[in-house]
Amino acid sequence: AQSVTQLGSHVSVSEGALVLLRCNYSSSVPPYLFWYVQYPNQGLQLLLKYTSAATLVKGINGFEAEFKKSETSFHLTKPSAHMSDAAEYFCAVSESGAGSYQLTFGKGTKLSVIP
Amino acid sequence: DGGITQSPKYLFRKEGQNVTLSCEQNLNHDAMYWYRQDPGQGLRLIYYSQIVNDFQKGDIAEGYSVSREKKESFPLTVTSAQKNPTAFYLCASSGTGALNTEAFFGQGTRLTVV
Repeated sequence: AQSVTQLGSHVSVSEGALVLLRCNYSSSVPPYLFWYVQYPNQGLQLLLKYTSAATLVKGINGFEAEFKKSETSFHLTKPSAHMSDAAEYFCAVSESGAGSYQLTFGKGTKLSVIP
Repeated sequence: DGGITQSPKYLFRKEGQNVTLSCEQNLNHDAMYWYRQDPGQGLRLIYYSQIVNDFQKGDIAEGYSVSREKKESFPLTVTSAQKNPTAFYLCASSGTGALNTEAFFGQGTRLTVV
């Protein structure tokens, strides 16, 4: 069975500071990994995905994530936070090789950006 | 524009009523999903469907029902058996090939019991 743990339900950073949101996963087969962003009262938007190609994945809005198999991690980073980055972020995993690619989500990390 | 449309955006239900949430997609995706979102709990899978006329229960299917009569449509009914239905409901769709694994989401329906 697959699972996702996001460390820290709430993270605060200053504008211009590094953003680091942590995600660890558990999967019995090689995983596909995703980061989504959600603004209040809206659906989820895909930021980036890892599907067994390059381990460093670049996404939209300057975000990137690195897949580390040895650490079973897929942390999300952005060098310089912007006010518009304030939102909730979800890490998700699906298992490759199965017929269904249903996602299992972490509980989310709410990012606040302090001016 | 291709995408997923959920309606209504806000829905109010009286005790003992069934209500149906609509989800339509024009992305030509085979798979569709319903998730429930509660504060601090992430997204939990209610039902999913990989093909027309077939669907499977997710982690929290009790008190919910779905149908998949058309590829484009996957409505969710919240029945009176669901004792705590107040939540934000998200519909999603995805392809089923290895290169089409990401899910695309609608804008959600917020259901409130009054």
